[in-house]
Amino acid sequence: GAGVSQSPRYKVAKRGQDVALRCDPISGHVSLFWYQQALGQGPEFLTYFQNEAQLDKSGLPSDRFFAERPEGSVSTLKIQRTQQEDSAVYLCASSYRQGEGYEQYFGPGTRLTVT
Amino acid sequence: AQKVTQAQTEISVVEKEDVTLDCVYETRDTTYYLFWYKQPPSGELVFLIRRNSFDEQNEISGRYSWNFQKSTSSFNFTITASQVVDSAVYFCALRIQGAQKLVFGQGTRLTINP
Repeated sequence: GAGVSQSPRYKVAKRGQDVALRCDPISGHVSLFWYQQALGQGPEFLTYFQNEAQLDKSGLPSDRFFAERPEGSVSTLKIQRTQQEDSAVYLCASSYRQGEGYEQYFGPGTRLTVT
Repeated sequence: AQKVTQAQTEISVVEKEDVTLDCVYETRDTTYYLFWYKQPPSGELVFLIRRNSFDEQNEISGRYSWNFQKSTSSFNFTITASQVVDSAVYFCALRIQGAQKLVFGQGTRLTINP
């Protein structure tokens, strides 16, 4: 079956522009996660959805970052007024259900470069 | 707070050598889960293994093995008879019971030279 897909794979934005990053989770997966991975670093948690409910957004770095999953499947991460420090790879992951017995499966990421 | 430390930033070995990647974690929780992921150049994190804190048995899967020791808060990963295709960045991660997010280490870049 298809894995997690993300689009676009690469995005270049000028500082101050808004961007929207899309994630298509594995079909039937209830939980969806966004992580930010800076160059040479491990991924860092941004936010988590169970179906359409955003249950944890403690990792969002500022109010410029906003995520949604209105129908409980596709999710969009939006960054407003991008800054250079937003340059990173944004990874999306999904898991079948919440709970400790379920692994997170990751997409290929969107590499965002803010110039 | 939870923390994962992978002290080895980069490792380079010749093909067929054995190599061990170290992972040390910190948590006050008694129930937690440890993971290893592989990130090849394509960028997608590939799940390798999950262990829970109550199961300290070592695990072997082909050329891969994992050594979990609660006494030293370590969860090390060994590749036996390494191959060029093993070249990637490897991440160790931790999740505590009741939380959904993964806490990752900084990763170890492994290069296997022919």
